[in-house]
Amino acid sequence: NAGVMQNPRHLVRRRGQEARLRCSPMKGHSHVYWYRQLPEEGLKFMVYLQKENIIDESGMPKERFSAEFPKEGPSILRIQQVVRGDSAAYFCASSPAGAGPYTEAFFGQGTRLTVV
Amino acid sequence: AQSVTQLDSQVPVFEEAPVELRCNYSSSVSVYLFWYVQYPNQGLQLLLKYLSGSTLVKGINGFEAEFNKSQTSFHLRKPSVHISDTAEYFCAVHLGGNKLTFGTGTQLKVEL
Repeated sequence: NAGVMQNPRHLVRRRGQEARLRCSPMKGHSHVYWYRQLPEEGLKFMVYLQKENIIDESGMPKERFSAEFPKEGPSILRIQQVVRGDSAAYFCASSPAGAGPYTEAFFGQGTRLTVV
Repeated sequence: AQSVTQLDSQVPVFEEAPVELRCNYSSSVSVYLFWYVQYPNQGLQLLLKYLSGSTLVKGINGFEAEFNKSQTSFHLRKPSVHISDTAEYFCAVHLGGNKLTFGTGTQLKVEL
């Protein structure tokens, strides 16, 4: 049973380009979460999705960032017109149905985005 | 707002020595606390969690943590570390719903 798979592991983009980060949850998991870790900071919640639904996007920047989790395929975090400040590690986690602290979320290895 | 603070960014320790990684939290409501570990080139893995009940929580790999409400702390301990414990350790607090917020992490480096 493969864990949460994120790709690419490392991504370099020039300012103004688009970045697409992919996350395949663990088999049987229907909930996906994205976190961002800026340099010298802890992981910060960005968005929580279920299949075809955004449940909570309170941590997403208002502009340029979007996320989806289609019926088929991986979850995608999309950053348009990247800027240097977007350079960070982006982590995806997944969990089975169920909410709250009693349900463990499993994390992927992260995607390190570098904007040059 | 709920948050956690990890004051030690790096903790060097010799193999077989005890270690304590510090975590303090701020919360005005019931709190759920977690410790995660990240080994090199791997994702975060849950070590242990405090939800309710006994304040001493035992986790995997011989780690344990104690919830101390009066000191608002949730320090992680291991009586004797191994080289394989070298990793980054994150303390986290549950924010509600499915959200966690993490500390900045503590890099544990175990030396021979």
